[in-house]
Amino acid sequence: DTGVSQDPRHKITKRGQNVTFRCDPISEHNRLYWYRQTLGQGPEFLTYFQNEAQLEKSRLLSDRFSAERPKGSFSTLEIQRTEQGDSAMYLCASSPPGTNLEQFFGPGTRLTVL
Amino acid sequence: GDSVTQMEGPVTLSEEAFLTINCTYTATGYPSLFWYVQYPGEGLQLLLKATKADDKGSNKGFEATYRKETTSFHLEKGSVQVSDSAVYFCALSGDRGSTLGRLYFGRGTQLTVWP
Repeated sequence: DTGVSQDPRHKITKRGQNVTFRCDPISEHNRLYWYRQTLGQGPEFLTYFQNEAQLEKSRLLSDRFSAERPKGSFSTLEIQRTEQGDSAMYLCASSPPGTNLEQFFGPGTRLTVL
Repeated sequence: GDSVTQMEGPVTLSEEAFLTINCTYTATGYPSLFWYVQYPGEGLQLLLKATKADDKGSNKGFEATYRKETTSFHLEKGSVQVSDSAVYFCALSGDRGSTLGRLYFGRGTQLTVWP
């Protein structure tokens, strides 16, 4: 049983560059979430997909951020024109259909913007 | 809006000591409540959950009771072990509309257990 996977695990980039992260949820999980976690804080919700539909976006998700889940399976999170304040751990989680709200988290992608 | 306030750490205990980590919440309706744990170098894992008032979640010797009257979900363990050293996050999930499913986390409490 493979859990949620994320790629890459670490990304170092220069300010102003674009970056893209990938998340592969547990198979047959129809809900997929993105969170951001900065040092010493709990994860903060960014966006949520049910199948391929993006149902909610946090106001934390500025215009530079975009997320997709084109076929209802894997998802990508892109950050354009990165800023130093974007440095954080980006977490992906998935949950199965139904009323079980448990979310299964991936290991995260740590982004460092120089 | 929905939110979670969690006891600030770090918490340092000797092995076999009693653990309490306080968590209170603000939410409309009847949220579900969770404790997640993050061991060093690992991802977040669900430790326990409770989905309605007076429910008690339990796992690995940890317990937490959903108290609606005090809007609390405190984590307890009677005898901690060195292997319990980790960061613990309290979280809630709303029960309606746009809050359904999304998790609101506390800031986390770092627990260190010494032998």
